[in-house]
Amino acid sequence: GAVVSQHPSWVICKSGTSVKIECRSLDFQATTMFWYRQFPKQSLMLMATSNEGSKATYEQGVEKDKFLINHASLTLSTLTVTSAHPEDSSFYICSATRFDWNSRPGSSTEAFFGQGTRLTVV
Amino acid sequence: EDKVVQSPLSLVVHEGDTVTLNCSYEVTNFRSLLWYKQEKKAPTFLFMLTSSGIEKKSGRLSSILDKKELFSILNITATQTGDSAIYLCAVLLIQGAQKLVFGQGTRLTINP
Repeated sequence: GAVVSQHPSWVICKSGTSVKIECRSLDFQATTMFWYRQFPKQSLMLMATSNEGSKATYEQGVEKDKFLINHASLTLSTLTVTSAHPEDSSFYICSATRFDWNSRPGSSTEAFFGQGTRLTVV
Repeated sequence: EDKVVQSPLSLVVHEGDTVTLNCSYEVTNFRSLLWYKQEKKAPTFLFMLTSSGIEKKSGRLSSILDKKELFSILNITATQTGDSAIYLCAVLLIQGAQKLVFGQGTRLTINP
């Protein structure tokens, strides 16, 4: 299957600093990437949808000035947690879909996940 | 608001039992429903369902989608301890842009 690479897999940072997480689709072009946050023993919470060449679409309750998303190319999206605080500590996962816009309704589309980034803010 | 609801949230069974996990959805612009298994890190893909009534099967796992009643089930037969995980259901929506929305997950524990 397709490969999505997320980096770093874990990071520890001091409160007040910013952290950038990268998500790359290695063998396909991803016009859309999704960023999720996951707390222990909970499901994935969609934070934002990242569209190549345009602004990200944030879910309700997610601060766009705090979680900056950039989708500069068809293979790279970045999430920057600005002025991180301990409550931002979480597991962040990106996902990319490979979708053929010319395909008929009912044809297959699959979402591929990065390995996730464990962020700890101290 | 797009909603994906899984049940049960938690399930504990004995090895060898058969389990059925449920996923219902209320969304606009439905394209596909996907099932994932999550153990320690990122979810791993199990199935993608787009058409109603067609069962997808992989070993002891199978899944089917009902687009009229807006739900899907994931069956696991002859469960093993290695099946213990969180099972996530997600719905892919497409209207111009795409959106992938997850349910809360079902935490499945298989006891020996």
